[in-house]
Amino acid sequence: EDQVTQSPEALRLQEGESSSLNCSYTVSGLRGLFWYRQDPGKGPEFLFTLYSAGEEKEKERLKATLTKKESFLHITAPKPEDSATYLCAVQEQGGSEKLVFGKGTKLTVNP
Amino acid sequence: DAGVIQSPRHEVTEMGQEVTLRCKPISGHDYLFWYRQTMMRGLELLIYFNNNVPIDDSGMPEDRFSAKMPNASFSTLKIQPSEPRDSAVYFCASSLEGGGSYEQYFGPGTRLTVT
Repeated sequence: EDQVTQSPEALRLQEGESSSLNCSYTVSGLRGLFWYRQDPGKGPEFLFTLYSAGEEKEKERLKATLTKKESFLHITAPKPEDSATYLCAVQEQGGSEKLVFGKGTKLTVNP
Repeated sequence: DAGVIQSPRHEVTEMGQEVTLRCKPISGHDYLFWYRQTMMRGLELLIYFNNNVPIDDSGMPEDRFSAKMPNASFSTLKIQPSEPRDSAVYFCASSLEGGGSYEQYFGPGTRLTVT
């Protein structure tokens, strides 16, 4: 059973059309939930870390939120340069530094 | 800072050959991670080190894979002998413990093709 499930697999938006990406997770104890952005041919780029339910973080047009079972990445008025694959990862409590990644959501923003 | 540095960026080799991938973590970081990314399985952790010591190698697929970290600024991932199913993008990442933050910073990756 996957610990991290992201949906949708792919999302196509028009410029300015706001939407949300979902990341649901199943771990016994969450140490942190991470969002990364990955452009084609590049390594994942760190965006946010969320640690507890109710926490929110923002960066430009992106806002990440966390509940006990899922996280959302809200994209407000996206631009074509926001096109990328967005990856979610969880880190369990217990001292391990291991990140378990979802398969990502490929976002395309058309001008 | 130059970020995490990986070499080579692309590697094409024939089945049965030895492949060595290299990584230089961000200076001062005490954790180093090796990941593999494929379309089918996504991004998977292979092994990670803390202060040059391997901590968790449970993701290493089989004995053909080995990783070393001889010092704080260099690590290698070796595949011997390589097989076509090893074709993937291999990423190295590093992080710094402390301060309550655990984010990992990734290198640009090495695209490995085994024919």
